[in-house]
Amino acid sequence: AQTVTQSQPEMSVQEAETVTLSCTYDTSESDYYLFWYKQPPSRQMILVIRQEAYKQQNATENRFSVNFQKAAKSFSLKISDSQLGDAAMYFCAFAMNRDDKIIFGKGTRLHILP
Amino acid sequence: GAVVSQHPSRVICKSGTSVKIECRSLDFQATTMFWYRQFPKKSLMLMATSNEGSKATYEQGVEKDKFLINHASLTLSTLTVTSAHPEDSSFYICSARDPRLAGGQETQYFGPGTRLLVL
Repeated sequence: AQTVTQSQPEMSVQEAETVTLSCTYDTSESDYYLFWYKQPPSRQMILVIRQEAYKQQNATENRFSVNFQKAAKSFSLKISDSQLGDAAMYFCAFAMNRDDKIIFGKGTRLHILP
Repeated sequence: GAVVSQHPSRVICKSGTSVKIECRSLDFQATTMFWYRQFPKKSLMLMATSNEGSKATYEQGVEKDKFLINHASLTLSTLTVTSAHPEDSSFYICSARDPRLAGGQETQYFGPGTRLLVL
């Protein structure tokens, strides 16, 4: 069975600084999808970034980028120029294919310090 | 972009009653929807996969007679919590995938969630 592990329950970063959230996963499959979701206080799940395992290039979305290390089964999220609006719960997630159920990690609560 | 709605956004009910939560895809047809449960300050736990026109697939440990799922149309799935008890109080979230999307786009859209409080 696939598992997703986030070892940092909480993190804090100064506004405008850079922060990296860690995620590891376990699977025996070679093709899959990885995601980072943001859940602000409104509880609405928002997709931050997505990575397809067959793509070697790390995904990037504006200030958000990932470091995808397939052999190490690591998928970290880097947030550059942190903003107050980035404060939220961040979930790392895994899916076998685009139609499949999503398995979530336990989440990392990110605090942005003004 | 595609939107998934849930109704109601919050509900309070008495112990022993049944509560129905609706999940709708507003501008696309979803053959598959997913239901998640989230406890306070916890992660999302998948409860079941809702398939249009067929029985839902429940995750291990989820009582199918307790959490009834009906996916009667391509835009609507319902979750009914039967004979609710205080331990059923939680945040319930649905998601749906837009099958029109090609690769490289968002996989699933999440509803805004429903907060259930059983007294």
